[in-house]
Amino acid sequence: TQLLEQSPQFLSIQEGENLTVYCNSSSVFSSLQWYRQEPGEGPVLLVTVVTGGEVKKLKRLTFQFGDARKDSSLHITAAQPGDTGLYLCAGRYSGAGSYQLTFGKGTKLSVIP
Amino acid sequence: EAQVTQNPRYLITVTGKKLTVTCSQNMNHEYMSWYRQDPGLGLRQIYYSMNVEVTDKGDVPEGYKVSRKEKRNFPLILESPSPNQTSLYFCASSLRGDYQPQHFGDGTRLSIL
Repeated sequence: TQLLEQSPQFLSIQEGENLTVYCNSSSVFSSLQWYRQEPGEGPVLLVTVVTGGEVKKLKRLTFQFGDARKDSSLHITAAQPGDTGLYLCAGRYSGAGSYQLTFGKGTKLSVIP
Repeated sequence: EAQVTQNPRYLITVTGKKLTVTCSQNMNHEYMSWYRQDPGLGLRQIYYSMNVEVTDKGDVPEGYKVSRKEKRNFPLILESPSPNQTSLYFCASSLRGDYQPQHFGDGTRLSIL
């Protein structure tokens, strides 16, 4: 089983602050996705990154894929209460079993008005 | 409306009584999978299916069975449920098994006494 480390596990910040969530592995990803999950619902895809060094932006969210494709980060600028939720990274590893999807344990974000 | 439908949404049952959680998608997706979500452990993949009659184990397959006789359906079977299978279960589908986005159902909360 491949391990995908996500940090921090919990994050409580004031509205307007910036934050970064990290996702790391010792193995190379063939692709990595970020999801957001609200209570009582299934995760919803935010972004997929495939190419090493790739940067994608989604409004105030910036996603970066490491050059070596072993890590990724999610940066939120000027967080708002609507950003509150559980953020999950999920990776597919290169090689055998690459159709298996491994999730990090998630970062529970609370944005206080 | 494109969706993944799981049934039941909630179930309380007893140890050893066989149960099936159904999952159906209306998007003609080839790839389907089952996850369980537990506090502190995150989302873990149980089984996945690349297409009809093609299934493979995820990270935590013990105690579960699946079948994929039709493209749209991917039931999860617990032949002899035990209390350690109490969890929140999610079914998901995607167009293919690569970096395509996973579409999740709303979850099934299963309690085994």
